[in-house]
Amino acid sequence: DGGITQSPKYLFRKEGQNVTLSCEQNLNHDAMYWYRQDPGQGLRLIYYSQIVNDFQKGDIAEGYSVSREKKESFPLTVTSAQKNPTAFYLCASSPHRGQNSPLHFGNGTRLTVT
Amino acid sequence: DAKTTQPNSMESNEEEPVHLPCNHSTISGTDYIHWYRQLPSQGPEYVIHGLTSNVNNRMASLAIAEDRKSSTLILHRATLRDAAVYYCILRDSGGGADGLTFGKGTHLIIQP
Repeated sequence: DGGITQSPKYLFRKEGQNVTLSCEQNLNHDAMYWYRQDPGQGLRLIYYSQIVNDFQKGDIAEGYSVSREKKESFPLTVTSAQKNPTAFYLCASSPHRGQNSPLHFGNGTRLTVT
Repeated sequence: DAKTTQPNSMESNEEEPVHLPCNHSTISGTDYIHWYRQLPSQGPEYVIHGLTSNVNNRMASLAIAEDRKSSTLILHRATLRDAAVYYCILRDSGGGADGLTFGKGTHLIIQP
């Protein structure tokens, strides 16, 4: 079955450490996205990528970094510069960037930093 | 960015139709209206989307007002598995960050 895989489901880190969240898709989609969700809130866009080797900052990119070396992979690194990293992180993809292109989401990684 | 307004929560009974409203008075002519839903601790799931005409699929129907300033997601016969947070989104690719901006959505409660 095609889909988006995020791993791990739960992740625990100590404050001051960088951590990388994995996102892989086998849908052959061009565009990929990273969102952050805090309890009781909607989703906020961190970074997005329309094609390989290209990505753009979203609304809350500070303290995060990404890479897009392969079409199917879009890892997110939460750096020690991110002030409040504890959150639920969601990866998504779409066939292309256009307005008529629905997003497909993974099941998220819940990151806890203490 | 175009914005949407949805009620914080709604309650319905199992096996009855549910009408979830969404206001988007500042919608532009090229914005698509998307609906997603999210179960606890899961990623959002695509439900339906449309531009001007009403749309139907196996999950739901989308009714779009003639002036496009509002829309309604219709679940024809709610089940307990439809209990989720429903997000109404405008797909806006006109400058700035692309993708979808999600508000807090409507928490749909289904009573057995």
